[in-house]
Amino acid sequence: GAGVSQSPSNKVTEKGKDVELRCDPISGHTALYWYRQSLGQGLEFLIYFQGNSAPDKSGLPSDRFSAERTGGSVSTLTIQRTQQEDSAVYLCASSLWLAGETEQFFGPGTRLTVL
Amino acid sequence: AQKVTQAQTEISVVEKEDVTLDCVYETRDTTYYLFWYKQPPSGELVFLIRRNSFDEQNEISGRYSWNFQKSTSSFNFTITASQVVDSAVYFCALSEVGSGTYKYIFGTGTRLKVLA
Repeated sequence: GAGVSQSPSNKVTEKGKDVELRCDPISGHTALYWYRQSLGQGLEFLIYFQGNSAPDKSGLPSDRFSAERTGGSVSTLTIQRTQQEDSAVYLCASSLWLAGETEQFFGPGTRLTVL
Repeated sequence: AQKVTQAQTEISVVEKEDVTLDCVYETRDTTYYLFWYKQPPSGELVFLIRRNSFDEQNEISGRYSWNFQKSTSSFNFTITASQVVDSAVYFCALSEVGSGTYKYIFGTGTRLKVLA
C-alpha cells in the first residue's frame, strides 16, 4: 500500500510569508506526528495527533506554528510569518496507534527554505 | 526527563569492517520502547527495530544486531561486515509509554560512512 506522502517536496518562501505543509498518513493509521529536522541535526518533535483526542502541541516552537488534522486523516502544518530560522526539513510520520509501542512510518519530508 | 544520547557524531569505516553505534538513554519510566531508524541519503527514515523495556534479549537480523542493557541504559547497534549501502545517518529513539506522553525522543544521530 501507499506510504506516508508529503507535499510539497520543496518550498521556497520569503521571510514574513505564511506556508502550509501537507501530510497524508498511511490509511488506517490513527496517530500522526510532525517533526522538524534542521541541517545536520536530529529530529525535533513538534506535535502529534491521535484519533479525536486533543493534540499534543508541546513541541511547537512558537505561536506562529499550528497544525490541524481533518477527519482523522490528512494533516496540515501552518507556519505564519516565516522566519529564516524556520528553514528545515519538516517530516511527517504515522503509526498504527499511539501508545508509543509501534514504529512510525515517515514521509519523504518537505524542505522549507525561507529567504 | 527523557533523553537519548548518541555521542558518536560521525563514524567512517572501510567496507567489511564491523561497526557499533552507541545509544544511551535516560528515563524515569519503567515501561518504555527503544527504536533504531536509518536515514539514507535519500532522506526518508526507515524503521529498523523496536525493543520494549521488559525484553533484554539481544537480537540479530542478518548483519545487524542490537545489544540492550538496562543496567547501563544502553541500546547499541552493531553492523557486521559493513557495506557501502549501510552509509546513512542512524537515529536511536525512546518512547515512554507509562508517562502517557507518547512522544518519541530522538537522538541527534550518528552518520556512518562506509568506504569501498
